[in-house]
Amino acid sequence: EDQVTQSPEALRLQEGESSSLNCSYTVSGLRGLFWYRQDPGKGPEFLFTLYSAGEEKEKERLKATLTKKESFLHITAPKPEDSATYLCAVQRGTGNQFYFGTGTSLTVIP
Amino acid sequence: SAVISQKPSRDICQRGTSLTIQCQVDSQVTMMFWYRQQPGQSLTLIATANQGSEATYESGFVIDKFPISRPNLTFSTLTVSNMSPEDSSIYLCSVGDGELFFGEGSRLTVL
Repeated sequence: EDQVTQSPEALRLQEGESSSLNCSYTVSGLRGLFWYRQDPGKGPEFLFTLYSAGEEKEKERLKATLTKKESFLHITAPKPEDSATYLCAVQRGTGNQFYFGTGTSLTVIP
Repeated sequence: SAVISQKPSRDICQRGTSLTIQCQVDSQVTMMFWYRQQPGQSLTLIATANQGSEATYESGFVIDKFPISRPNLTFSTLTVSNMSPEDSSIYLCSVGDGELFFGEGSRLTVL
């Protein structure tokens, strides 16, 4: 059964305190793994796509990595404006179906 | 990327009524997707809307409850029919092949 599990559910960090969010997945033939950021009252905003194990993508303070079983979203020296819910999703190799995790709610305290 | 506009952004509805959500995209797209996001749960695909054909519904969602229109390549509507409090949720329109791009969502509260 295809599924995505994100941990932790919630994370509170002091400004400047680096950490990582986890996304574990099982899917029949991974076509892509996606990270999104969602602010309250807004739709998800696309961040990264990873296609194969070993791949890494970076954007400002965020870096996403991928293995055969999980992905990490590393946040380096976070700022309060990084506070949001981060969603992970996988797309299977056939069809257009995406499977989303329930997200990690990140709060960065000044 | 695509710019996606949804209306209404939020609404409060009475039990038994129906509400239609509109989704407008700034470019022509083949497929449009409708998702539901319930509190504490992951995004769930309701249906895929292709222009010129019937929408394809996912398991657990039926056309009588969630009728969809797709009159052209930039517009779609989702109707939530005969609403109950269990339909209180955020409904999201999205487009994309690979990366998905989302509208701002429509937050429905059913009393």
